[in-house]
Amino acid sequence: NAGVTQTPKFQVLKTGQSMTLQCAQDMNHEYMSWYRQDPGMGLRLIHYSVGAGITDQGEVPNGYNVSRSTTEDFPLRLLSAAPSQTSVYFCASSRDGGQSYEQYFGPGTRLTVT
Amino acid sequence: SQQGEEDPQALSIQEGENATMNCSYKTSINNLQWYRQNSGRGLVHLILIRSNEREKHSGRLRVTLDTSKKSSSLLITASRAADTASYFCATEYPGGSYIPTFGRGTSLIVHP
Repeated sequence: NAGVTQTPKFQVLKTGQSMTLQCAQDMNHEYMSWYRQDPGMGLRLIHYSVGAGITDQGEVPNGYNVSRSTTEDFPLRLLSAAPSQTSVYFCASSRDGGQSYEQYFGPGTRLTVT
Repeated sequence: SQQGEEDPQALSIQEGENATMNCSYKTSINNLQWYRQNSGRGLVHLILIRSNEREKHSGRLRVTLDTSKKSSSLLITASRAADTASYFCATEYPGGSYIPTFGRGTSLIVHP
């Protein structure tokens, strides 16, 4: 199993550009989530999904869109990039069992917006 | 925000010493997890402790949970240089989404 994969690993955008960060998992996990990590801020939840076709907002959703058309994929879209979105983005997945289980994290995408 | 808060923010010890990190939270939880993050990498799960448990062990790791004080501690015994990393607690609350909320982390440096 590849686990959780993220692409790209690095990305530089200009202000106003849009892009999609890709996330995929091959563990048949129902739960998937996107976090951003900024220095001194820990990980903050952007959006999450509890199954295909179901998404919800986390703590910092503004400026980001998600969709979950399959169990495996959970892309994160930046609609109009801003310098405040410069961060490291992590995708995670976990299994569904009516309670919280361990999160499996991808390697991250380091995004710089100039 | 409902995130837990780790203490201390940074910890520097010698190889062979024990390292203790603490996590405090504000409201009742279903469970608490500890994760490790090596520099530039994704987070790796260490231990999950549920609200009805008081202590769990995994190798050189010992986690305690005191729900009356709303706090948890992570003890790493006989630290090694390879334990150098950031450690995060993550809490999951009743009525939530089963997606945990992460604290800001403790940065541990173990000197050889």
